[in-house]
Amino acid sequence: EDQVTQSPEALRLQEGESSSLNCSYTVSGLRGLFWYRQDPGKGPEFLFTLYSAGEEKEKERLKATLTKKESFLHITAPKPEDSATYLCAVQAAGSYQLTFGKGTKLSVIP
Amino acid sequence: DVKVTQSSRYLVKRTGEKVFLECVQDMDHENMFWYRQDPGLGLRLIYFSYDVKMKEKGDIPEGYSVSREKKERFSLILESASTNQTSMYLCASSPPERVRGAFFGQGTRLTVV
Repeated sequence: EDQVTQSPEALRLQEGESSSLNCSYTVSGLRGLFWYRQDPGKGPEFLFTLYSAGEEKEKERLKATLTKKESFLHITAPKPEDSATYLCAVQAAGSYQLTFGKGTKLSVIP
Repeated sequence: DVKVTQSSRYLVKRTGEKVFLECVQDMDHENMFWYRQDPGLGLRLIYFSYDVKMKEKGDIPEGYSVSREKKERFSLILESASTNQTSMYLCASSPPERVRGAFFGQGTRLTVV
């Protein structure tokens, strides 16, 4: 059974204080790993797809990396508008569906 | 940009009612999904469809059914709504080829009273 565990559950950062969110996964053949951002009361917004170990993707202050067992979402010099819940999901080879972690709620304090 | 539109943002229904949640996508995606999201439980897959008239059960299909008569539209049906189906419902779509991520609608907050 595919599993995704995200840590920490919640993270409070001062504005400008860089940090990382973790996503550990077990899957029978990784087809893709995804990061999403979700604001309260809204649907998840797609951020990145990573396909293989060693791959990295960047978007503004966010950088996602992937190893064979986990992915990190690095946030550099965060701003209050980066406050959201960040979700990680995996898709197994031969599967249509995504398995999601429970998310990390990030709060960036001015 | 991909647009996935859910018919309602908020719904309040009575126990025992038949409830229809509608979802439309405008990017000709083959795959469509229905999830529910609950605090502490995350997103859980109810049903998905990889083609018109095709459907597959997800992790929690009990009490739900789906319909996909046209490629762009995927409906979730609560046959007889119950209070434990109060939740945020999220529709998503994705293309079939090398994965580019699923795109989500804005969600429907359903309350069953």
